[in-house]
Amino acid sequence: DTGVSQDPRHKITKRGQNVTFRCDPISEHNRLYWYRQTLGQGPEFLTYFQNEAQLEKSRLLSDRFSAERPKGSFSTLEIQRTEQGDSAMYLCASSLVWQGVQGTEAFFGQGTRLTVV
Amino acid sequence: GENVEQHPSTLSVQEGDSAVIKCTYSDSASNYFPWYKQELGKRPQLIIDIRSNVGEKKDQRIAVTLNKTAKHFSLHITETQPEDSAVYFCAALGVFGPGTSLSVIP
Repeated sequence: DTGVSQDPRHKITKRGQNVTFRCDPISEHNRLYWYRQTLGQGPEFLTYFQNEAQLEKSRLLSDRFSAERPKGSFSTLEIQRTEQGDSAMYLCASSLVWQGVQGTEAFFGQGTRLTVV
Repeated sequence: GENVEQHPSTLSVQEGDSAVIKCTYSDSASNYFPWYKQELGKRPQLIIDIRSNVGEKKDQRIAVTLNKTAKHFSLHITETQPEDSAVYFCAALGVFGPGTSLSVIP
């Protein structure tokens, strides 16, 4: 499978626990995005990486959320001390962006559905 | 940061009619404008995009027009079919709009 893959597909956790999600982008893609989506809403931007550098993080993002992309390949998103309001679909997307180009098609993974009970 | 809005939030059309969805953005530095389609339970997928050096782009029944001065761009779907029913999102600078739910009535 050469698309964007996310793991796990589903996660149920108790409130207060930490969770970590993984995203493997398309191999040659240098840009990686994390989004959160709840039912009936558009994907909400969380953060994005250009190679290993985290270039932007949503101001709405709680400090309980942290993301890494240590070698510019896969990325992890960690949520500490989960709350019920964190329940959502977490989507990862990747794209190939070259110098002078602001954006190109982003390919999405199937998402990780988080349920906090 | 970028702020993206879409109108309408829901749209119902008869099969064969046209549908138009408008997107407005706030950051004049934006120069890449994609439209994504998301079917129920599936991931968003790009259907068409446009860059700021052109005003219109067409791909079969789908077209996108851009007015950079007014900071808005629109998705046009002609001869709509039931399989066009989905939620459509526009985006700018990686920020997505809230979505438009399109229903095509057979």
